[in-house]
Amino acid sequence: GQQLNQSPQSMFIQEGEDVSMNCTSSSIFNTWLWYKQDPGEGPVLLIALYKAGELTSNGRLTAQFGITRKDSFLNISASIPSDVGIYFCAGRSYDYKLSFGAGTTVTVRA
Amino acid sequence: NAGVTQTPKFRVLKTGQSMTLLCAQDMNHEYMYWYRQDPGMGLRLIHYSVGEGTTAKGEVPDGYNVSRLKKQNFLLGLESAAPSQTSVYFCASSYSSRSSGSSYEQYFGPGTRLTVT
Repeated sequence: GQQLNQSPQSMFIQEGEDVSMNCTSSSIFNTWLWYKQDPGEGPVLLIALYKAGELTSNGRLTAQFGITRKDSFLNISASIPSDVGIYFCAGRSYDYKLSFGAGTTVTVRA
Repeated sequence: NAGVTQTPKFRVLKTGQSMTLLCAQDMNHEYMYWYRQDPGMGLRLIHYSVGEGTTAKGEVPDGYNVSRLKKQNFLLGLESAAPSQTSVYFCASSYSSRSSGSSYEQYFGPGTRLTVT
């Protein structure tokens, strides 16, 4: 599969903060997906993006499909403790298989 | 509607033993996938299936076999387990095209944690 560069690798959040993470690829994608994984669970789909430039929200989450089709970002506004977990980006090029980023681990700052 | 289910949830094997992981989905999805997840490496595709009776190799297929005898089930087999196969295994499923609804969005099961000693 194609490698996606996801950053940051990890981050600490304080309740109420806005946080952002992004994914970049050397190849063009036709679909970007963002997943969240809680400990001991499978990834759960948060947002799906299908068109370059598309900006989509799901509650406090907002994601955008980059104009170049090689990147996407995810914002979480007004973070709360249950936002902790691992966030994965995934991209689809011309077939149905997905390539995944290595994940961004979000932890609450003590 | 259970979505994607996996059995077992946990398993410990000795090197050389065999086992089968079962995945079932009740969403009438055409496509099904098996991934492994290792720390810091995201999800890597092992094998996938685009329909009943068909299977294909993914990114890391060596040491694994699969079968899809029924549309709703996808089995992953390890014939002779090795410590390098210690991992968390996830099954996922999706529709085959946008006309089917949610298109290529993949929905995941809860995972199977496998340890090979």
